[in-house]
Amino acid sequence: GENVEQHPSTLSVQEGDSAVIKCTYSDSASNYFPWYKQELGKRPQLIIDIRSNVGEKKDQRIAVTLNKTAKHFSLHITETQPEDSAVYFCAATLRSNDYKLSFGAGTTVTVRA
Amino acid sequence: NAGVTQTPKFQVLKTGQSMTLQCAQDMNHNSMYWYRQDPGMGLRLIYYSASEGTTDKGEVPNGYNVSRLNKREFSLRLESAAPSQTSVYFCASSERGNYGYTFGSGTRLTVV
Repeated sequence: GENVEQHPSTLSVQEGDSAVIKCTYSDSASNYFPWYKQELGKRPQLIIDIRSNVGEKKDQRIAVTLNKTAKHFSLHITETQPEDSAVYFCAATLRSNDYKLSFGAGTTVTVRA
Repeated sequence: NAGVTQTPKFQVLKTGQSMTLQCAQDMNHNSMYWYRQDPGMGLRLIYYSASEGTTDKGEVPNGYNVSRLNKREFSLRLESAAPSQTSVYFCASSERGNYGYTFGSGTRLTVV
């Protein structure tokens, strides 16, 4: 994805622990930041999103935080479960990309039982 | 309500062959997109259509063409397939660019 960097590329956590994935973007005019989950062999599915006028959003065990000054946003998964194992993609709308989504390279999360 | 429907799900082509990937959405979305997904490279935009009657190149358009047939349908054509086009292709749609995208189930294409 253009100018959206995602770290780490792989993440292994013990069941019940928390997982954090971080993304940075380059365009200060970016205004929409979704996260997608892709299970093996399936399509990416939107799990949570945040707009630039909000600093944090939660939905049950997942939360997203946005730091506009530092131009980074993070996905937090608490109390991880085996079904959280998947590839997670962050994305951002970039003015330089006509406000279409640009995706990070993805993080493969493995939850160990 | 099917969402975004892609056909075919799997395809094997010989180098130089042509094919068209079909995509249709029933959500009355304005914008439609074609992405390819390769290991370790995330989702890269091939072409998009911001609205009916318009199409534009994305990051990796070489070797592809598209047609926005109507508001519902957006097809991707490979005129002369190359092994480098072996990938998983996803179609997506959204109300507009800065809204959540809904993806189709993907087409796994192998060019030999």
